[in-house]
Amino acid sequence: DAGVTQSPTHLIKTRGQHVTLRCSPISGHKSVSWYQQVLGQGPQFIFQYYEKEERGRGNFPDRFSARQFPNYSSELNVNALLLGDSALYLCASSLNERTARVNAKNIQYFGAGTRLSVL
Amino acid sequence: GESVGLHLPTLSVQEGDNSIINCAYSNSASDYFIWYKQESGKGPQFIIDIRSNMDKRQGQRVTVLLNKTVKHLSLQIAATQPGDSAVYFCAENRSGGGTSYGKLTFGQGTILTVHP
Repeated sequence: DAGVTQSPTHLIKTRGQHVTLRCSPISGHKSVSWYQQVLGQGPQFIFQYYEKEERGRGNFPDRFSARQFPNYSSELNVNALLLGDSALYLCASSLNERTARVNAKNIQYFGAGTRLSVL
Repeated sequence: GESVGLHLPTLSVQEGDNSIINCAYSNSASDYFIWYKQESGKGPQFIIDIRSNMDKRQGQRVTVLLNKTVKHLSLQIAATQPGDSAVYFCAENRSGGGTSYGKLTFGQGTILTVHP
């Protein structure tokens, strides 16, 4: 079975540009979360989407936005790129919310990430 | 500027030794914890998890210990192998916490190097 897939794997942009990153969750997973991982640090939570609705948002500016499609895939958009946006962007998928609450556990499975470099 | 990465805790062990990686978590309301392994150029890989109603959980060659009193988590790897070399992260979550169930809060990570 395919795991979480992300595209593209690498991306180079210049300041002020816009970028769209894509994620396909594990088959059967309805929840997608996005994380930013700056070199040398742990991933930082950006968004979580479930059933096409935003269910959680981290401490990121409004330049960051996301959406989830009917097939549960997701896009992360970043506008007006800054040098500090250079990072590895990770997508994680997990089972539905009810399962997570009933089992009191929420294993998130990560993709390999998209390496974004802003010049 | 200063690179935060230079200050990641590091652990170097010989092949066959047991490794213990420690993590302090911040939110006393967190009730679910996960250890992830991240190899260079890859995303975090799930290793083992534990709920707050447990003190210890064992997997294959790995054991996670949870001390809620001091908000401390540890990962023990038995008979460490060169393939275990990676960065290890602990992550915490409030599984029943409203809309925050999808948010994992990660620690800074520990670099494990296993020498043959």
